[in-house]
Amino acid sequence: GENVEQHPSTLSVQEGDSAVIKCTYSDSASNYFPWYKQELGKRPQLIIDIRSNVGEKKDQRIAVTLNKTAKHFSLHITETQPEDSAVYFCAASEGNNRLAFGKGNQVVVIP
Amino acid sequence: SAVISQKPSRDICQRGTSLTIQCQVDSQVTMMFWYRQQPGQSLTLIATANQGSEATYESGFVIDKFPISRPNLTFSTLTVSNMSPEDSSIYLCSVVSEQGASGANVLTFGAGSRLTVL
Repeated sequence: GENVEQHPSTLSVQEGDSAVIKCTYSDSASNYFPWYKQELGKRPQLIIDIRSNVGEKKDQRIAVTLNKTAKHFSLHITETQPEDSAVYFCAASEGNNRLAFGKGNQVVVIP
Repeated sequence: SAVISQKPSRDICQRGTSLTIQCQVDSQVTMMFWYRQQPGQSLTLIATANQGSEATYESGFVIDKFPISRPNLTFSTLTVSNMSPEDSSIYLCSVVSEQGASGANVLTFGAGSRLTVL
């Protein structure tokens, strides 16, 4: 099955700086790559996603890039704010709605 | 997106007992999933709850341990049977309820049920 790896496990950034989280996946058949944000004690929520026919997608301060050849994708957060502090999970799917999640990244934005 | 209600939100259970978690959705959905999130860990898919047929379990999860019901398109239950401390976890119900901006189906999660087994 799909194996998704995520790194770094913890990332601390100064407020206003950028944060980048990288994920790799193993199954070349995967074609859908969402990112979820989970604040402490809350449910995971989708923040951005990308399909394999697109190389990059942006939504305000967040963007996701995909390199299908290398089988990795990254989340970019610009102008970080304290409310960006959370655990971020990447995931991959073959399009059958079954998501394989990475282990998560704890992002800490230091005011 | 769909609104998902899970209960109980949390419980403390004794070793050897069983607990049933309920998941109610405010709209009819075809696909419902049960995930487990152990403390500080990622989300692991337990099974897909299929309406009108047996649930489909992922590797490492079996029906005897995690029986699932799906009586209709808005409701499902997950039972954690014969619990041990290793079953202490958050159990989350999720549904595919809409298409996102990318055109793919979006997975929405319930708030989770935090179980502590003593």
